[in-house]
Amino acid sequence: QSVLTQPPSVSAAPGQKVTISCSGSSSNIENNYVSWYQQLPGTAPKLLIYDDNKRPSGIPDRFSGSKSGTSATLGITGLQTGDEADYYCGTWDSSLSGVVFGGGTKLTVL
Amino acid sequence: EVQLVESGGGLVKPGGSLRLSCAASGFTFSSHSMNWVRQAPGKGLEWVSSISSSSAYIYYADSVKGRFTISRDNAKSSLYLQMNSLRSEDTAVYYCAKFGVWLSWFDSWGQGTLVTVSS
Repeated sequence: QSVLTQPPSVSAAPGQKVTISCSGSSSNIENNYVSWYQQLPGTAPKLLIYDDNKRPSGIPDRFSGSKSGTSATLGITGLQTGDEADYYCGTWDSSLSGVVFGGGTKLTVL
Repeated sequence: EVQLVESGGGLVKPGGSLRLSCAASGFTFSSHSMNWVRQAPGKGLEWVSSISSSSAYIYYADSVKGRFTISRDNAKSSLYLQMNSLRSEDTAVYYCAKFGVWLSWFDSWGQGTLVTVSS
């Protein structure tokens, strides 16, 4: 059971928008920065969003992050088949003194 | 370009030991905190351990505390994970990952090395 809660799967058609939620608590999301990772099949995770809503260089602005209270959200617009992947949220947990991840969300672009 | 290359994975019997290594290049290794993150087959990501740039601060997940030891050699730009008393539930791909900022996000990942614990 993951400390952060994500939906197991989401799906949408090419060109559409999708959001992935990540729910936590005051010891993690509410008081620490959230990051998001994309893991394409058979590859290592890749940083998509850091500090709740910042994109590393090279990440298109189709990807966005937001946070409110104990929940964070990853948004992806203009969906492409190449976006099919597992997406993970992560943050520091001050009570556990460790990094915690969500269980991951599998995105299917129909 | 940042490169992180893990090695040392393999098949080990329950109760056995293994030492993973991560060779870093493309950045000033001694200035950055590092991590090990693992992923069991078909499962999600699990943080294992973090070490600060000077090794002054170290954190472990409860699941590995007392069995695993993280260390680094800044002169060799290398990160290590000594794994003792291995269990079947330690079977996973182990990734070396660089913190962007201490206790923050992982901005670079290695390709991973598979550890299989089985009799």
